Amino acid sequence: GAVVSQHPSWVICKSGTSVKIECRSLDFQATTMFWYRQFPKQSLMLMATSNEGSKATYEQGVEKDKFLINHASLTLSTLTVTSAHPEDSSFYICSATPSGSSNTGELFFGEGSRLTVL
Amino acid sequence: AQSVTQLDSHVSVSEGTPVLLRCNYSSSYSPSLFWYVQHPNKGLQLLLKYTSAATLVKGINGFEAEFKKSETSFHLTKPSAHMSDAAEYFCVVSLLYNFNKFYFGSGTKLNVKP
Repeated sequence: GAVVSQHPSWVICKSGTSVKIECRSLDFQATTMFWYRQFPKQSLMLMATSNEGSKATYEQGVEKDKFLINHASLTLSTLTVTSAHPEDSSFYICSATPSGSSNTGELFFGEGSRLTVL
Repeated sequence: AQSVTQLDSHVSVSEGTPVLLRCNYSSSYSPSLFWYVQHPNKGLQLLLKYTSAATLVKGINGFEAEFKKSETSFHLTKPSAHMSDAAEYFCVVSLLYNFNKFYFGSGTKLNVKP
């Protein structure tokens, strides 16, 4: 099956610093990727839709200046949490689906990235 | 509009006994339905999906689910639980290929007792 890889799996940073999380589709091309945030013992909340070569589409209530998304190639999207604060601590998960005729109607998820801001 | 309700936040079963995780959905159109499993600090893995083909869907690890339009349900079952099945399970409804409209249920945590 299609594989989505996230890096890093765990990151601890100081308040005020920026953190970048990468999401890669390893064996398929994805024009669209999705970023989710998951709070403890809760479901996934869609933050934004990452579009290759264009601006991301953010969900209502998500600060686009806080959560910068770049989708520079068909296999890589990055989420940068800028000026991180403790309330940004969370589990961030990306997902992707193959483009074009390879699309099977399902989403493939990365392993997630646990961010802890001290 | 689409939405999904997972009726149980926690389910506890003994190893070797059947598993039933309940999911009801609401959709204005013919939905696609999915069950995903999440182990602690991991991403989501697809167990099975329904996309308007056979109503009884078989997935990985012995799980299956039946799409019942009249009951708007898509319950997940397994005949015999294994310790490795302990995880969080999410029911998801969407419109086919409408990926930014994947609606997640609140999740059901399955505990398997020895």
